[in-house]
Amino acid sequence: EVQLLESGGGLVQPGGSLRLSCAASGFTFSSYAMSWVRQPPGKGLEWVSAISGSGGSTYYADSVKGRFTISRDKSKNTLYLQMNSLRAEDTAVYYCAKHRIVVGDAFDIWGQGTMVTVSS
Amino acid sequence: EIVLTQSPGTLSLSPGERATLSCRASQSVRSSYLAWYQQKPGQAPRLVIYGASSRATGIPDRFSGSGSGTDFTLTITRLEPEDFAVYYCQQYGSSPFTFGPGTKVDIK
Repeated sequence: EVQLLESGGGLVQPGGSLRLSCAASGFTFSSYAMSWVRQPPGKGLEWVSAISGSGGSTYYADSVKGRFTISRDKSKNTLYLQMNSLRAEDTAVYYCAKHRIVVGDAFDIWGQGTMVTVSS
Repeated sequence: EIVLTQSPGTLSLSPGERATLSCRASQSVRSSYLAWYQQKPGQAPRLVIYGASSRATGIPDRFSGSGSGTDFTLTITRLEPEDFAVYYCQQYGSSPFTFGPGTKVDIK
C-alpha cells in the first residue's frame, strides 16, 4: 500500500526552527517528485515547496523562499522540510504529497498531515 | 504567479442533483495542467481530476472535468452523500503550483 507519514510538527516560538519528515512506503521513492502543501486552520490549501525525484531540482513559494529548505534521502525513503525563521503565519497543517510522476504533475497521494504552531 | 478563482464559494444542493463548479485562471494554464481535489473535514485532500479531464484512480464516473486555457469546470452528475465536501482546483503547469480558494458543496 502506498503511504506517506508525516512527523515533526509541534509548537515553536517565532524565529525558531523545525524539521518536518515524511516517510514514504509502497512505491519507488526516488522515481517520483514530492511536494509540501500547508493549510492554516479553517483556510485553504497553499503549495509550499517541491523537489524532483533525483533531488536535483527544488521549487519554493515566495512566502517561504530563503527560510525553508526541501530535501530527500533516498536511502531512508524520506522527504524533509527544514523550516527556519518561523512566523505566526506559518501556523498550519503541513501535508506531504507525491506527484503522479514529475514535478509538473498532480498530487495523487497525500499524507495525513502534521500540525505546526508558531506562537510565543 | 497564476491566480485561480473558484465559483461559487458555496453550493447548496440535494443528493441526486447536479453540481457544476468553476475554476478560472488569471492566465492560460500550460497544457491543461489543472487538477481538482476533494477534501472532507479532518481529512487530507484527495485527487479527483488531473489534466483537466482525466479521472484519478478510484474516482467514480459521475465526476467529470472539462476546460482549457483559463476556464475549467468540475461536474458531478448526481450527488451522492459522500460527495459533500470542499473542492479545490490547482494548476501545476508552472511554479508556484497555486490552488484556488475552494468551493464548498453542502447539503441543502
